[in-house]
Amino acid sequence: DTGVSQNPRHKITKRGQNVTFRCDPISEHNRLYWYRQTLGQGPEFLTYFQNEAQLEKSRLLSDRFSAERPKGSFSTLEIQRTEQGDSAMYLCASSRASTVGGYTFGSGTRLTVV
Amino acid sequence: AQTVTQSQPEMSVQEAETVTLSCTYDTSENNYYLFWYKQPPSRQMILVIRQEAYKQQNATENRFSVNFQKAAKSFSLKISDSQLGDTAMYFCALPGAQKLVFGQGTRLTINP
Repeated sequence: DTGVSQNPRHKITKRGQNVTFRCDPISEHNRLYWYRQTLGQGPEFLTYFQNEAQLEKSRLLSDRFSAERPKGSFSTLEIQRTEQGDSAMYLCASSRASTVGGYTFGSGTRLTVV
Repeated sequence: AQTVTQSQPEMSVQEAETVTLSCTYDTSENNYYLFWYKQPPSRQMILVIRQEAYKQQNATENRFSVNFQKAAKSFSLKISDSQLGDTAMYFCALPGAQKLVFGQGTRLTINP
């Protein structure tokens, strides 16, 4: 297993455009998390899935954000009508439901909205 | 709601020195875990050490150890014999409602 994979590593987009990020978790992990991290800050929780079910969404996740995890495998995070304030690192992590806090993180997708 | 506070935005020490990073937290839970994660520059975040709140003994992983003070809700990380590769952001984290809550981080620089 190669760990948690995120694509793309970097994305530059113009304000108002839609972007989609992908996360491939460790195959035997049934939980998948999305976090957002701005420069010099700690990760902030966005949403998480257990298998294909999205169990919690943060209030940070506005209507422009949507996440999916079809078939309980990879996940996508889409941001519609991007704004400059969306510029951040988007981190994906996965874990077993039985593991408390033992996340495996991906390398993240850095989004820059110009 | 769980909160995590790291009051040291940046720290810098010389190689081979010992450094302690501070973390305080708040939770209404009695049994919980605490974590320190390391995020090297441009690299992914990795788990450094974890502590179970019901265990009185402080966790140790090679050069990394914690000082866990449950009553004070304090959870500091000590790095002994620091190495250049320890240069990174360090985050304290606490599980809250099926997800981790992170502190603001401490940027640690190890100087040669």
